[in-house]
Amino acid sequence: NAGVTQTPKFQVLKTGQSMTLQCAQDMNHEYMSWYRQDPGMGLRLIHYSVGAGITDQGEVPNGYNVSRLNKREFSLRLESAAPSQTSVYFCASSERGPENIQYFGAGTRLSVL
Amino acid sequence: GQNIDQPTEMTATEGAIVQINCTYQTSGFNGLFWYQQHAGEAPTFLSYNVLDGLEEKGRFSSFLSRSKGYSYLLLKELQMKDSASYLCAVLDSNYQLIWGAGTKLIIKP
Repeated sequence: NAGVTQTPKFQVLKTGQSMTLQCAQDMNHEYMSWYRQDPGMGLRLIHYSVGAGITDQGEVPNGYNVSRLNKREFSLRLESAAPSQTSVYFCASSERGPENIQYFGAGTRLSVL
Repeated sequence: GQNIDQPTEMTATEGAIVQINCTYQTSGFNGLFWYQQHAGEAPTFLSYNVLDGLEEKGRFSSFLSRSKGYSYLLLKELQMKDSASYLCAVLDSNYQLIWGAGTKLIIKP
């Protein structure tokens, strides 16, 4: 039982490059989400999903796309990276929604030059 | 707007007791969470309060006063491994999680 697995752990991109962050959970959770964490700020919700094929925008969705093809996996894509997207990204899952305990992946430290 | 306030940093001594406060102004309230986050790691769940009062779980306790928009996390018998950031998060009336910036706790021997 691995919990929430997130890859990669580190990434450096040049402005304009694209990349996809992968996230998978083995807890049979319905709800999955992507956050970014920046110094001096609380976690900010980028996008979330309440089930396979269902996604919605969070607080800071611009510049990001997500995909939930099945219950296990929820990916985050940056189509054209910008320096403002330099951050630590966390994937999280929970049984049904934000009202349940969130289980987080180990995080991806992304630098955009 | 919605706001959660926590002290940025606190220092305490090994073996002592520390109280980390969290005040919130949110559109409604449906519960408050505390998470622990060691440097470079993922947040992990510590406690959940939805009713007023104190919830005790081993060395950690969490208190909630909904009328005052206030919670605290109490850590007893501090150990070096308790050095971490502690995140307060409130579930608002729309069932959205609003996160505080976290309190970095430094434990000194």
